[in-house]
Amino acid sequence: RKEVEQDPGPFNVPEGATVAFNCTYSNSASQSFFWYRQDCRKEPKLLMSVYSSGNEDGRFTAQLNRASQYISLLIRDSKLSDSATYLCVVTTSYDKVIFGPGTSLSVIP
Amino acid sequence: GAGVSQSPSNKVTEKGKDVELRCDPISGHTALYWYRQRLGQGLEFLIYFQGNSAPDKSGLPSDRFSAERTGESVSTLTIQRTQQEDSAVYLCASSLQDRSPLHFGNGTRLTVT
Repeated sequence: RKEVEQDPGPFNVPEGATVAFNCTYSNSASQSFFWYRQDCRKEPKLLMSVYSSGNEDGRFTAQLNRASQYISLLIRDSKLSDSATYLCVVTTSYDKVIFGPGTSLSVIP
Repeated sequence: GAGVSQSPSNKVTEKGKDVELRCDPISGHTALYWYRQRLGQGLEFLIYFQGNSAPDKSGLPSDRFSAERTGESVSTLTIQRTQQEDSAVYLCASSLQDRSPLHFGNGTRLTVT
């Protein structure tokens, strides 16, 4: 089993739609959790950290369920500029940073 | 302030040659990571440096790959006797401390002909 798994997609959604991405991780002792976005042929960029209490940044909401070892990202009112690959990132107890394979999103006009 | 800087941005080399890739982390960042990303693929962990601790080399794919870091500054990734399968984007990232978010450089796109 891979350490971090994501649905690869692609997700093709119309502008204004709400879309949710899921991520599961295998190491129950994982410490830190993040969502990154990566545009085509660019480096990954931090979108948001993920906390157990859940956190929101504008149209983006991230949730962490430690018991189920599950992380989610919700994007509301999708924009064309949201088209990218979304990477789930987990830091293990021994400080190794593991990237998921990414979920591809295309927002269609 | 300045972000993570990588050089060169592009490198084309012949099979069998050695290449050296450079990464300048954000000043004050103690942790430094190297990843490889092949076209259309995810990020593959290569090596991790944290301060003066022994590096985690568990992701290096073969003994042709090595990396060094001087203190908490510049790091170089060396690939000896390059092969065509080494063609990829090599990404460097740094973070302020363990478990902090990573900040990436623009990467070095390596093409082995």
